[in-house]
Amino acid sequence: ETGVTQSPTHLIKTRGQQVTLRCSSQSGHNTVSWYQQALGQGPQFIFQYYREEENGRGNFPPRFSGLQFPNYSSELNVNALELDDSALYLCASSQGLLGETQYFGPGTRLLVL
Amino acid sequence: DAKTTQPNSMESNEEEPVHLPCNHSTISGTDYIHWYRQLPSQGPEYVIHGLTSNVNNRMASLAIAEDRKSSTLILHRATLRDAAVYYCITPNQAGTALIFGKGTTLSVSS
Repeated sequence: ETGVTQSPTHLIKTRGQQVTLRCSSQSGHNTVSWYQQALGQGPQFIFQYYREEENGRGNFPPRFSGLQFPNYSSELNVNALELDDSALYLCASSQGLLGETQYFGPGTRLLVL
Repeated sequence: DAKTTQPNSMESNEEEPVHLPCNHSTISGTDYIHWYRQLPSQGPEYVIHGLTSNVNNRMASLAIAEDRKSSTLILHRATLRDAAVYYCITPNQAGTALIFGKGTTLSVSS
């Protein structure tokens, strides 16, 4: 069974650029959630996708957007990057909704200069 | 959304039991309590979850207070590989997200 994978592992961008991060969910999982983890903090929920539809969103501006594909893989897009967007971006997959265990990938470390 | 409170850090010796406490006094009656841990340079890893009664798995045990306002994660014999940040988590109201705090950083000495 393949776990959750994310790409790239590391990324450096400059302020104002756009970035796309990718996540492949664990086999059999139809739900993907994205989290942002700043240094020294716990992960913060960005949004969740269930069967290709956004199913919930945290307190993040619209320049954070996402997609989920028919194979349940997902993308996180961030436009107009700001210095504070520097963080570890985590993807988690689960089977269904409402309290199901989420399985996390290793994350993508984004540095915005 | 329910809020959890954990100590910032705890220390343990190898092969000794570790009790990691968590307060969640505002938890709703139907919210599960989840525990995850995060090793350095890795994503969070599921440890255990429960609703009302105590739970055991191969990694740990979870003891939930009768009033559900607190819980304790028990590692029966700590190893050096258990050094991590441990998060006690409740879901958001919609049940779509895990609400993480800062967690407890567990140090294990040999």
